[in-house]
Amino acid sequence: DVKVTQSSRYLVKRTGEKVFLECVQDMDHENMFWYRQDPGLGLRLIYFSYDVKMKEKGDIPEGYSVSREKKERFSLILESASTNQTSMYLCASSSQGKSGGTEAFFGQGTRLTVV
Amino acid sequence: QQQVKQSPQSLIVQKGGISIINCAYENTAFDYFPWYQQFPGKGPALLIAIRPDVSEKKEGRFTISFNKSAKQFSLHIMDSQPGDSATYFCAASMTGGFKTIFGAGTRLFVKA
Repeated sequence: DVKVTQSSRYLVKRTGEKVFLECVQDMDHENMFWYRQDPGLGLRLIYFSYDVKMKEKGDIPEGYSVSREKKERFSLILESASTNQTSMYLCASSSQGKSGGTEAFFGQGTRLTVV
Repeated sequence: QQQVKQSPQSLIVQKGGISIINCAYENTAFDYFPWYQQFPGKGPALLIAIRPDVSEKKEGRFTISFNKSAKQFSLHIMDSQPGDSATYFCAASMTGGFKTIFGAGTRLFVKA
């Protein structure tokens, strides 16, 4: 059973803390993504990576950074957490289809609350 | 050109009715059009997908209709059930592409 696993389901952090969200996939996918999901705003792409040590900004990268040191692991970092970063965070992965676009697989999500 | 526009934002359907969600895209390089289903507190999961060489794909009560010339595709849920109540996202991606482009989502509520 293929999997994208996020390290935490729920997190509560204090304003100003440095926060790490970890994501691991076991499908040998090249692409990995971090989204945040807020009510009424759909899935907003924060960062994505198409190879080890490669990263690209998504639509809302401000206040976030990422790290991909190994193919299977993609970390999202909140350098100094703020209350407006309270959200559901979703990690996803996909392969770079050689003959057509491909499915994205999602983790179960991390609900982060910053107090 | 990278956008996928989805409508409606929300939908209420009676049990047994047909739910229809529509999406439109601009980039003709897209060649994979999935629909994702998301239940509260869970990540989205693939429901059904279509490639542009066919105009329709059916899996059980779920059907994708695809109109290549109009650059539109839609999800039909026949005999809608309360258990279908969820958020549905259309999406598009392409060969060798890095990103899947998602629609804004439709919240479906099926009344018992």
